[in-house]
Amino acid sequence: GEDVEQSLFLSVREGDSSVINCTYTDSSSTYLYWYKQEPGAGLQLLTYIFSNMDMKQDQRLTVLLNKKDKHLSLRIADTQTGDSAIYFCAESINYSGKLVFGAGTILRVKS
Amino acid sequence: EPEVTQTPSHQVTQMGQEVILRCVPISNHLYFYWYRQILGQKVEFLVSFYNNEISEKSEIFDDQFSVERPDGSNFTLKIRSTKLEDSAMYFCACAGIHNEQFFGPGTRLTVL
Repeated sequence: GEDVEQSLFLSVREGDSSVINCTYTDSSSTYLYWYKQEPGAGLQLLTYIFSNMDMKQDQRLTVLLNKKDKHLSLRIADTQTGDSAIYFCAESINYSGKLVFGAGTILRVKS
Repeated sequence: EPEVTQTPSHQVTQMGQEVILRCVPISNHLYFYWYRQILGQKVEFLVSFYNNEISEKSEIFDDQFSVERPDGSNFTLKIRSTKLEDSAMYFCACAGIHNEQFFGPGTRLTVL
């Protein structure tokens, strides 16, 4: 079945690193994505990783993928107050273009 | 940078009325999607659309829902007879070659 799970809440201090975790169930996932949603706004694509990769780095963002454990993480280095938002993990199923989303992790950055 | 746009940003309607939600996807993107997010719940897939026809639809997308690309740029979602439980944020998305989906800002639908 298709299911994506995330922890609900993460609080960090400004300047620290944030790590948001996600697990998924469908082994036929081709791509995995991280989206950011600020209050009242749409979903902003942050980054994505192909399922045969282990890691992808994009400026302050590092995505790690453990395909064996079906575990995906997003690390935000030097977290800023502007990073406060809800972060969604999503998987793209092989036979279909649809995205299956997790419930989202609320990231709160304290100054 | 090209963006997906959606109109209206907020739609209030009476139960049983028809609504049409509009989206203008990024040009040259060929795959289109509608998702919805009920307040406090997950973002849920509704329908995918490619080459002027539905590719896949979820259980939510029943006979009350339809999609259309009437003029090659707009992409619409119609709900024929709205129900209270249709109240949600509706997001349009279009996809690039790695299925990276770019979302619009959403339309908040409130059914009274």
